[in-house]
Amino acid sequence: EVHLVQSGAEVKKPGESLKISCKGSGYTFANYWIGWVRQMPGKGLEWMGIIYPGDSDTRYSPSFQGQVTISVDKSSSTAYLQWSSLKASDTAMYYCARRGSEFYWYFDLWGRGTLVTVSS
Amino acid sequence: QSVLTQPPSASGTPGQRVTISCSGSSSNIGRNYVHWYQQVTGAAPKLLISRNDQRPSGVPDRFSGSKSGTSASLAISGLRSEDEADYYCAAWDDSLSGHVVFGGGTKLTVL
Repeated sequence: EVHLVQSGAEVKKPGESLKISCKGSGYTFANYWIGWVRQMPGKGLEWMGIIYPGDSDTRYSPSFQGQVTISVDKSSSTAYLQWSSLKASDTAMYYCARRGSEFYWYFDLWGRGTLVTVSS
Repeated sequence: QSVLTQPPSASGTPGQRVTISCSGSSSNIGRNYVHWYQQVTGAAPKLLISRNDQRPSGVPDRFSGSKSGTSASLAISGLRSEDEADYYCAAWDDSLSGHVVFGGGTKLTVL
């Protein structure tokens, strides 16, 4: 069965760094783009960016460019989302999701989310 | 302010048919496919409709999607209590080097 398994909840202080993960299983990880989606408390979904594990090609939403870094380790079938200096406004649930087609931009498989809380 | 515009709420009684609209522009819905996601409270989003009107395996045929011009709609017929959830439309937007855009979401309440 196909899965995306995300790392556990994090509680951090402003200014700290953080890297969360998303591990794929049950399919050829290298062949599918993995995207990241933010959901702030009580709010809607926001697309952050996406990476292709096969060649690490990465694209960012204009809203998140320069704010986060998306990376991948193909050998362990794991994608990452990282911050160098967290802010309170980064408090949110973060989902990873698999792009379901090489031609179309929909996400057919989602992780359960990683809750990130940033508070002093 | 989301790029795609959805009504914040919708409601219906069991058995009814409800529709949720999604309005965009020529850079997104006007030239790209629309996809719909369902998010039950406390759970991750789930793909409901892809490429305007395609149901993934396992999605009941009570759910249907359509698109016309720069707008799209999700219809749910034979409403059931388990359909109570947030629904999001999404599309690729060709502006600013391209990116995915979501609607603000519609909270569906089954009365």
